[in-house]
Amino acid sequence: ETGVTQTPRHLVMGMTNKKSLKCEQHLGHNAMYWYKQSAKKPLELMFVYSLEERVENNSVPSRFSPECPNSSHLFLHLHTLQPEDSALYLCASSQGGGGASPLHFGNGTRLTVT
Amino acid sequence: AQSVTQLGSHVSVSEGALVLLRCNYSSSVPPYLFWYVQYPNQGLQLLLKYTTGATLVKGINGFEAEFKKSETSFHLTKPSAHMSDAAEYFCAVSLPRGGYQKVTFGTGTKLQVIP
Repeated sequence: ETGVTQTPRHLVMGMTNKKSLKCEQHLGHNAMYWYKQSAKKPLELMFVYSLEERVENNSVPSRFSPECPNSSHLFLHLHTLQPEDSALYLCASSQGGGGASPLHFGNGTRLTVT
Repeated sequence: AQSVTQLGSHVSVSEGALVLLRCNYSSSVPPYLFWYVQYPNQGLQLLLKYTTGATLVKGINGFEAEFKKSETSFHLTKPSAHMSDAAEYFCAVSLPRGGYQKVTFGTGTKLQVIP
């Protein structure tokens, strides 16, 4: 399998549930990203990992908890979410070392919080 | 600091007509510029990018964009729209950050192609 794979594609969870989103990249990249895409808003960068170290955390609420166990895998652990957290969550990867490297995106997880 | 402005959240063109999607940027350093496309229920995929050199950049599916430093613009064009071009298009500017990219996206333009 090639590219960036995200699972699950769809997730419905209640506000008291705990769930995790998974991302796997098969491109040999060393940076991985979580973005949130909501209707009528720009893509919001949530977290960035470079060489498995978290390098950006853009004021994301603590109910979102990222984990990067190795350079190929990225998780987003979710707990006690709010309805406004419903969105498309996109994972991306890139080859670091210069701004010319494009991001490679997965197809996202559509999250609905009820 | 960097920012991206896309004029027009929705653009409609007839099949076979010229596609023009506008993007203006600001960047404190020479920019790396990108256009991405997102089809329904999918992630974003790269259309084309400008790094250095030739200011007219060709991408996939017949799209191209021209970097104009004096106008701080990077507009996306395609001579003849096809039904399959209906999607959302995002302009982005990237800043290297020592091991990863700090990417700022525009708000996107939804392209509708009318038969």
